[in-house]
Amino acid sequence: NAGVMQNPRHLVRRRGQEARLRCSPMKGHSHVYWYRQLPEEGLKFMVYLQKENIIDESGMPKERFSAEFPKEGPSILRIQQVVRGDSAAYFCASTRTGPYEQYFGPGTRLTVT
Amino acid sequence: KQEVTQIPAALSVPEGENLVLNCSFTDSAIYNLQWFRQDPGKGLTSLLLIQSSQREQTSGRLNASLDKSSGRSTLYIAASQPGDSATYLCVGAGNQFYFGTGTSLTVIP
Repeated sequence: NAGVMQNPRHLVRRRGQEARLRCSPMKGHSHVYWYRQLPEEGLKFMVYLQKENIIDESGMPKERFSAEFPKEGPSILRIQQVVRGDSAAYFCASTRTGPYEQYFGPGTRLTVT
Repeated sequence: KQEVTQIPAALSVPEGENLVLNCSFTDSAIYNLQWFRQDPGKGLTSLLLIQSSQREQTSGRLNASLDKSSGRSTLYIAASQPGDSATYLCVGAGNQFYFGTGTSLTVIP
């Protein structure tokens, strides 16, 4: 039973480019959470999605960031026009039903040059 | 608003010691509490999950307890090893997830 998968593991983008981060939840899980971790800091909640629905996006920056979880395929976190401050580790976690037991992916480390 | 605090923030112990990490939360309305470890540059690894109806869970050298009435959970690590060095997080689940502030553990060989 494969765990939560994220790709790419490392992503380098120049300022102004777009970054797309993918998260495939565990089999049987239909809820996905995205978190951001800045260097030497804790995880910060960004967005909570269910298949085809955004449940809670209270942690998402108002501009440049968007997330989706289509009926088929992985959840995508999209960052447009990246800036240096977007450099961080982005983790996703999946649950079977809402805020229950979370399983985390290995993260995507985004570096903006 | 739920706040989850972990004490101590950092802990350094010699190998072989038994130790206790503490987690306190302000609102007892949580469904469960999950303990994780995070190694530097890595993701979070789930250690133990305690349901709100349970008092404790055990896995190997780890034992976690939950007392909802007092708003506390503890993670007990027996016979600590250098490989236990990591940051430990408690996460409460209510209407959303509530992350603790973390305890950075160093086990000295």
